[in-house]
Amino acid sequence: DADVTQTPRNRITKTGKRIMLECSQTKGHDRMYWYRQDPGLGLRLIYYSFDVKDINKGEISDGYSVSRQAQAKFSLSLESAIPNQTALYFCATSDSDRGRNQPQHFGDGTRLSIL
Amino acid sequence: SQKIEQNSEALNIQEGKTATLTCNYTNYSPAYLQWYRQDPGRGPVFLLLIRENEKEKRKERLKVTFDTTLKQSLFHITASQPADSATYLCALESPGGFKTIFGAGTRLFVKA
Repeated sequence: DADVTQTPRNRITKTGKRIMLECSQTKGHDRMYWYRQDPGLGLRLIYYSFDVKDINKGEISDGYSVSRQAQAKFSLSLESAIPNQTALYFCATSDSDRGRNQPQHFGDGTRLSIL
Repeated sequence: SQKIEQNSEALNIQEGKTATLTCNYTNYSPAYLQWYRQDPGRGPVFLLLIRENEKEKRKERLKVTFDTTLKQSLFHITASQPADSATYLCALESPGGFKTIFGAGTRLFVKA
């Protein structure tokens, strides 16, 4: 079984719809992240969470919200999807060492297309 | 803000040769720098981490160097194989180490 599982793997939806992407992990890490990846732009951080009660905005949080339901679960929502949110979305987890991020473990992504 | 520059052009090399990928960054020097591999349709996979006080790090056929004066890391794959074909991402920490900033990656093609 994968350590970081994302569902769904693929989703096609229409403008204005609400969408939820889910992520669960078995690594026991406290830190979880949501990124989007666009060609030529690399991974950009949307939101991150260092524990269940800690949620932080990343560099591109507008139009997105998150929920940390448990240590192992972190979901990303698009309240009203728009076409420029079409991208590949990744969830990741990491441990920490004296407060600093350790290497990240990624899921296999959700390919989201908004028409 | 910190920027990471990786060659956006794909690197094509012959099997058996050494592949060298470059990562340049601007502004502050991070306490450590990481390299990841990403295959099409998959998430990035961590390969190596090098700290600012380490000039070089090796793991099997992989070697990473870190020059804080030049603000540059080099990633080498020796005796390259077609299975090494992938996109390689450079990543470094933000000040305080709470976020990881990723480069856009360089695509490597190894021809048999």
